[in-house]
Amino acid sequence: QKEVEQNSGPLSVPEGAIASLNCTYSDRVSQSFFWYRQYSGKSPELIMSIYSNGDKEDGRFTAQLNKASQYVSLLIRDSQPSDSATYLCAVRMKEAGTALIFGKGTTLSVSS
Amino acid sequence: GAVVSQHPSWVICKSGTSVKIECRSLDFQATTMFWYRQFPKQSLMLMATSNEGSKATYEQGVEKDKFLINHASLTLSTLTVTSAHPEDSSFYICSAGRAGGTGELFFGEGSRLTVL
Repeated sequence: QKEVEQNSGPLSVPEGAIASLNCTYSDRVSQSFFWYRQYSGKSPELIMSIYSNGDKEDGRFTAQLNKASQYVSLLIRDSQPSDSATYLCAVRMKEAGTALIFGKGTTLSVSS
Repeated sequence: GAVVSQHPSWVICKSGTSVKIECRSLDFQATTMFWYRQFPKQSLMLMATSNEGSKATYEQGVEKDKFLINHASLTLSTLTVTSAHPEDSSFYICSAGRAGGTGELFFGEGSRLTVL
């Protein structure tokens, strides 16, 4: 069974705060994890990928992976109104071959 | 990142007609492309995996005779929605990844289909 779970939100944070987005997945042997951002009416754009346990930082974004807990998260520091979007967690699962399985997404709203 | 282009961006058609959507990888060759469908406020649902030179692999519940996929070259995959009905109205998005890349998929702009 291929499942990626996310809290749909909305998650509301003030400008400058840290936004924390969480994701769990069902396939214990999954090896590749991705965060995409999707603005309304647009296709997803890749923000980060992570493959190993621990943290991976890229600018204001930090992805965290814990394979034992089957959990991946995305932190957005110094949140900006332009970060307001839906954030999709995607996992490459063995059952799906090389395709990505997506969660339903978490809607983030950053207020100025 | 890699560039994936999709056409058309918007299409409106009458019920019972067929619609073709093209997906092109512009700066790399893609032996495999993926077609997703997204209904309003829902996630991307994988419809099928398009394989160059062979038959597509469809996900459970997706009708292969209704959603025809052709991947005739390393840079082009097409999705044809046959005998479209209003319930087929959705956002269709293709994606592809670079061979030898780190596994991320790059998405086309998406095609919004409205069936009247």
